[in-house]
Amino acid sequence: DIQMTQSPSSLSASVGDRVTITCRASQSISSYLNWYQQKPGKAPKLLIYAASSLQSGVPSRFSGSGSGTDFTLTISSLQPEDFATYYCQQSYSTLYSFGQGTKLEIK
Amino acid sequence: QVQLQESGPGLVKPSETLSLTCTVSGGSISSYYWSWIRQPPGKGLEWIGYIYYSGSTNYNPSLKSRVTISVDTSKNQFSLKLSSVTAADTAVYYCARGDPDERDYGGNFDYWGQGTLVTVSS
Repeated sequence: DIQMTQSPSSLSASVGDRVTITCRASQSISSYLNWYQQKPGKAPKLLIYAASSLQSGVPSRFSGSGSGTDFTLTISSLQPEDFATYYCQQSYSTLYSFGQGTKLEIK
Repeated sequence: QVQLQESGPGLVKPSETLSLTCTVSGGSISSYYWSWIRQPPGKGLEWIGYIYYSGSTNYNPSLKSRVTISVDTSKNQFSLKLSSVTAADTAVYYCARGDPDERDYGGNFDYWGQGTLVTVSS
């Protein structure tokens, strides 16, 4: 099984800040890494697929990078609607697995 | 616009079988992978398994002995059955569409249902 580990588990930031969330895989997953945003009481929303491809309709302030085992999600300038929990997920293996989540809170 | 909607009982007794259905509207069930994903209250996401529109399945080994996913293409629906449930199976259950990548793996979950809370309790 491929384990996905996110850091930090929680993060406080202010509107306008640049934020980076890290995801590490327990083995190489090439670029088969996706990022999701989840708001309370809502389903997750796909933001980034294949490590760096922006899903249609997602604002360009979201970007992803990385390959192999280390990946990052960057929000270039936080907006009020970005405060949520973010999950990474590997699709390299068909035993799909998610990170534990990073909760982004308002400072 | 593709929409997914879960339906089924919100309360299941221990040792019984949890049954949920996901209805897909606004698009065909063909040519995609259809997954079930769950989230215990206050916790993270766990992928349960998928079915391809042709009927082939793949399950999380941690649940494989208790899970069955089926598809009804005529109704644009797919279903989840989880047997011998315990309190540990209490969770919000989501259905999601997996968009195939260049390897024909359907692990990019681009559309999700709103989720349905299933509580296991006597």
